[in-house]
Amino acid sequence: NAGVTQTPKFQVLKTGQSMTLQCAQDMNHNSMYWYRQDPGMGLRLIYYSASEGTTDKGEVPNGYNVSRLNKREFSLRLESAAPSQTSVYFCASSVTGRAEAFFGQGTRLTVV
Amino acid sequence: DAKTTQPPSMDCAEGRAANLPCNHSTISGNEYVYWYRQIHSQGPQYIIHGLKNNETNEMASLIITEDRKSSTLILPHATLRDTAVYYCIVRFPSNDYKLSFGAGTTVTVRA
Repeated sequence: NAGVTQTPKFQVLKTGQSMTLQCAQDMNHNSMYWYRQDPGMGLRLIYYSASEGTTDKGEVPNGYNVSRLNKREFSLRLESAAPSQTSVYFCASSVTGRAEAFFGQGTRLTVV
Repeated sequence: DAKTTQPPSMDCAEGRAANLPCNHSTISGNEYVYWYRQIHSQGPQYIIHGLKNNETNEMASLIITEDRKSSTLILPHATLRDTAVYYCIVRFPSNDYKLSFGAGTTVTVRA
């Protein structure tokens, strides 16, 4: 079982460029999440999707859009990257209402 | 969700028990206590959770005080691989299951 898979693992963007971070889970989970983690900081929720077809804003949604493509996939899009979006991005999934969330290994994004 | 307070860092000797405290004095009756950890550069990993009773699994034990205002995560025999940031999170179980991570406790296990 792969669990939660994120692509790419590393990315360098120039200011103003756009890109999409991909996330897929093979655990049949209903809920999926995107977090960012800045150096020396805890995780902050960007967006989440409680179920297929629904998405909601988290703590820090500005500058991002998401798409819950199907039950397995939840993508995060940066339309116009800014240096302030340099961070490590984590995708996670869980069974709705359950305690455990499973996290991917992260995408390390640098915006120059 | 209730706010939690954890010490910023602590050291532990390899092979000894590591006791990680968490204060959650504003916890309400239906809020659970969850523990996660994050080993360097990896995604967070769920450890354990509880409501009122003490809990134990293959990774750790969770001791919650009777008034539920604080809890302790116990790693019974710490190894070097347990070096990580440990997060204590208090929240209601609900359909959306959002997690709010704070700064956590950086635990360093020394040989």
